[in-house]
Amino acid sequence: NAGVMQNPRHLVRRRGQEARLRCSPMKGHSHVYWYRQLPEEGLKFMVYLQKENIIDESGMPKERFSAEFPKEGPSILRIQQVVRGDSAAYFCASSPLLGGSTDTQYFGPGTRLTVL
Amino acid sequence: KQEVTQIPAALSVPEGENLVLNCSFTDSAIYNLQWFRQDPGKGLTSLLLIQSSQREQTSGRLNASLDKSSGRSTLYIAASQPGDSATYLCAVTGNFNKFYFGSGTKLNVKP
Repeated sequence: NAGVMQNPRHLVRRRGQEARLRCSPMKGHSHVYWYRQLPEEGLKFMVYLQKENIIDESGMPKERFSAEFPKEGPSILRIQQVVRGDSAAYFCASSPLLGGSTDTQYFGPGTRLTVL
Repeated sequence: KQEVTQIPAALSVPEGENLVLNCSFTDSAIYNLQWFRQDPGKGLTSLLLIQSSQREQTSGRLNASLDKSSGRSTLYIAASQPGDSATYLCAVTGNFNKFYFGSGTKLNVKP
């Protein structure tokens, strides 16, 4: 069973361009979470999605950021008109269940976005 | 809003020492608490998961405790080794099982 896959692993964009980050959850997992890690900081929750639904986007910046998890294919985190402050590591995690105390999330290797 | 704090932010110890990393959280309504290890430029490796009803978990040289009522957890590392050098992240789960992370403790174990 392959783990959570993210691509690309490294992404370089110039200011004003769009960044698309992809996450393929573990097989059988229908819950996906996105987190952002700024340099020298911990991870911050951005958004939680189930197939075709955004459940909690309380951590998403109000503008330029969007996420989706379609019925088929990977989850996508999209950043429009990137700025230098968007440079960070973006981690995706997946989970098979919701709400139990033994539930955990399995993290992908992250996508490191650099905005020039 | 849940806030997770880790102390110290950085720690440097000689090889062989036993050490304690601290984590505190403001809202005791958690599902579980998890300790992760992160190597530079890498993803997260789960070390220990403590359910909200548990007091501690052990794995090899690692022992993690949880005092939910006081909002505290400690990660104890016995007989530290240079290979333990990494950043250790504490995270608690809240609504929708999302994680709230601390900023981490950067550990350096000197040979």
